[in-house]
Amino acid sequence: SQKIEQNSEALNIQEGKTATLTCNYTNYSPAYLQWYRQDPGRGPVFLLLIRENEKEKRKERLKVTFDTTLKQSLFHITASQPADSATYLCALAGETGFQKLVFGTGTRLLVSP
Amino acid sequence: GAVVSQHPSRVICKSGTSVKIECRSLDFQATTMFWYRQFPKKSLMLMATSNEGSKATYEQGVEKDKFLINHASLTLSTLTVTSAHPEDSSFYICSAMRGQTNTEAFFGQGTRLTVV
Repeated sequence: SQKIEQNSEALNIQEGKTATLTCNYTNYSPAYLQWYRQDPGRGPVFLLLIRENEKEKRKERLKVTFDTTLKQSLFHITASQPADSATYLCALAGETGFQKLVFGTGTRLLVSP
Repeated sequence: GAVVSQHPSRVICKSGTSVKIECRSLDFQATTMFWYRQFPKKSLMLMATSNEGSKATYEQGVEKDKFLINHASLTLSTLTVTSAHPEDSSFYICSAMRGQTNTEAFFGQGTRLTVV
């Protein structure tokens, strides 16, 4: 079955640095991969989607890469700010339906001033 | 972006009672909505797919008689936790996608259910 792994340990970085989060997956070849932000006690908020035929996607300070050979996506936040502190989830389309998302456990990012 | 509203945001109920959670798409029609459950520091677990005008599709291991889903209109899906027990305490989140081919999910703000 599908397995999605994100680093469960929190990532602590200094303001202004680039944060890099990793999402690895196995046993599946998704047509696309998504990244969401989740704040405590709130529902996830969509950030970026990258398709299997795309290597890289950018949106403002965010950059996502997708390596279908390594089965890995990297999520970068450049010039990080304390307001970027949150949990970031990667999600793949499920095997049984492209709209049924399967989520990783998320990585908590803490940006210190 | 599109808005999905979930209500209530928090609810405390006694064991044995039933609780209804509403999920509304405010500015678009959603033929399909999804219900997730999330435990502390855990991933979102898909419980069921709510289909407007037809029965919900439940994921393996999810009791359909326990978690009743109704999707009576294109903008409203409800999840009823029946005969709630303390182990049902969790964070429940709904999502909807705009149209049949879109893949960006819009999530409600979630409902924190505590069963005492």
